[in-house]
Amino acid sequence: EVQLVESGGGLVQPGRSLRLSCTASGFTFGDYAMSWVRQAPGKGLEWVGFIRSKAYGGTTEYAASVKGRFTISRDDSKSIAYLQMNSLKTEDTAVYYCTRDVAVAGTEAYYFDYWGQGTLVTVSS
Amino acid sequence: QSVLTQPPSVSAAPGQKVTISCSGSSSNIGNNYVSWYQQLPGTAPKLLIYENNKRPSGIPDRFSGSKSGTSATLGITGLQTGDEADYYCGTWDSSLSAGLGVFGGGTKLTVL
Repeated sequence: EVQLVESGGGLVQPGRSLRLSCTASGFTFGDYAMSWVRQAPGKGLEWVGFIRSKAYGGTTEYAASVKGRFTISRDDSKSIAYLQMNSLKTEDTAVYYCTRDVAVAGTEAYYFDYWGQGTLVTVSS
Repeated sequence: QSVLTQPPSVSAAPGQKVTISCSGSSSNIGNNYVSWYQQLPGTAPKLLIYENNKRPSGIPDRFSGSKSGTSATLGITGLQTGDEADYYCGTWDSSLSAGLGVFGGGTKLTVL
């Protein structure tokens, strides 16, 4: 059974940093890209960024709203994906989900076939 | 402001059919497959449709997807009260050198 479990959320002051973890099980973690998607309170889904599998270079892409502040990394030996969030702003307050990404054959696109339960990040003074 | 446009809400009676639209552009829906996600109250989103019209194992055939040009549609037949949820379309946007994930703003389905 595929499972994704996020951790590391909490209350943090503006300008500070926080690192989220996504621990995966039930599949060969290294074979998949992983995304982070967030949802502000009462709002819709926002794709934050993703990291490709090592087979596709292990490279990362980010939404414009977090580029330069957030960094996604992965440890395939531990089946964990990370989201390092620096220079946090109040507008980063959201539930953060990690997803397992499936590549669409013949394209550079992905869809998200499994989601974790999410972890809440609150940025407030 | 979401890249993809969905109606904020739709409603229908139990047993009826409803459709939810998702409008984009040539850089996203027009050139990429669309997926749909269901988010029941207080839970994480779940994949409902991928590659425009395919259903993952376990998703009933009451749910269907289609795409035409720069728009996509989710259809739900035989509505049940348990279908009350928020529905999101998603795809990849290739307007920049590297593709990025994008979602619609979500549609709240009410089963009257």
